Order: sequence, then C-alpha cells, then structure tokens
Amino acid sequence: GAVVSQHPSRVICKSGTSVKIECRSLDFQATTMFWYRQFPKQSLMLMATSNEGSKATYEQGVEKDKFLINHASLTLSTLTVTSAHPEDSSFYICSARDITSGDKGGVAKNIQYFGAGTRLSVL
Amino acid sequence: GQNIDQPTEMTATEGAIVQINCTYQTSGFNGLFWYQQHAGEAPTFLSYNVLDGLEEKGRFSSFLSRSKGYSYLLLKELQMKDSASYLCAVRVGSSASKIIFGSGTRLSIRP
Repeated sequence: GAVVSQHPSRVICKSGTSVKIECRSLDFQATTMFWYRQFPKQSLMLMATSNEGSKATYEQGVEKDKFLINHASLTLSTLTVTSAHPEDSSFYICSARDITSGDKGGVAKNIQYFGAGTRLSVL
Repeated sequence: GQNIDQPTEMTATEGAIVQINCTYQTSGFNGLFWYQQHAGEAPTFLSYNVLDGLEEKGRFSSFLSRSKGYSYLLLKELQMKDSASYLCAVRVGSSASKIIFGSGTRLSIRP
C-alpha cells in the first residue's frame, strides 16, 4: 500500500511554544490530506482537511488560528500547533488520500493512508 | 448529524471467529471502511465496501447493507496479534473524501 510519513513521532514542549508536524506522502501525490486528533481510548476526530494550493477546511470547533495548516505541495502538509498548552497534549495523526487506489465497481476507492502519528506532550 | 455505533469492547478466543458490528446514520454515504489500530499506532486499512454484500480478504471479511445502515467485520482463525481496536468509518459528503470514524471496538484475544 501507499506510504505516509509523519514527523516527529513524539514531541515534548513547554507551554506557549509552537510545534510543527509534517506529513508526507512518499510514493503518491496527495491533493488532499487530513489531520486527526485522538485522545486515549477514543476514536479519531477529524480536525481539518488540507487542500493543496488552497486554504484548509476546518471542522466545527477547531480553531484555525491555533492549528495552522499548510499544504504547499502535492506530497507535504504541515500542522502547526501555535502557543501550545497542556490541553493540546494528544495524539495527532495525518492521512493522505490516494485517489489512484484502484477501482471497485467503477468507483475509485479513495483510500486514506495514515501516518504513524505524533504524540504531543505540552508541559 | 453523523452517528456511527459499534461495541466498545469484545473478547474472543484464539482460533475462533468474531464478528464486529457497525451501524451508521450519516448525511450522505460514499463507502464504508474498516481500519485496525494497535495501541499507540496509526490505523491500517483493512477493507472497503461501497456496494451491498460480502467482501472477503484472507482471514478478514466485511459486509455491507446500505438499506439497513449496517456493516460487520468478520475475523476468522483469530490470532493473538489480532488484539487491537477496529474502527468503522464512513465516507460522507458531496466531495466524497471526508471520512467519519466510529469510536472503535477494542478486541481482546485470549489463549
């Protein structure tokens, strides 16, 4: 399957600092990438949809000024957590949509492949 | 609104068969996914259904009934490494790209 690289895997930072997380599609081009947040023993919550060359689409309740998303190329999207606070500590996961992931009954699968995740701890 | 329901936890025995159910009520439907997620790791893709019926892939099978808003994931010949969370996810929206995840089912395999 397609490979999505996410970096860093773990980051510990002081309250008030900003943290940048990178998400790269290694062997395919991704016009759309997604950023999720996951708290312990809970499912993935979609934060925003990152569109190459245009502004990201944020889900309701997600502060766009706090979670800055940049999708400058077809293989890279970044999420910057600005002025991080302890409540921002979480597991952040990106995914990239492979629009070439085969056809099924005439409908493209559009499978999302996930990065390994970034565990953010804000002290 | 969007609602995807699946059991919180299940337990099964090594070598046995287990079925994990998922029901959904969503605004729009463009396919249903099952992902496996081990603790502390990212989800990995298991299966995709967009048409009604059963899709088989090795030890795993997935079933979809769109009229009932229902799917299940069937795991056969269970192995200890199958202990993980299984996430049911529905692709919704006019763009057919946004995926909404259920809360996940934590499956524990006992010897």
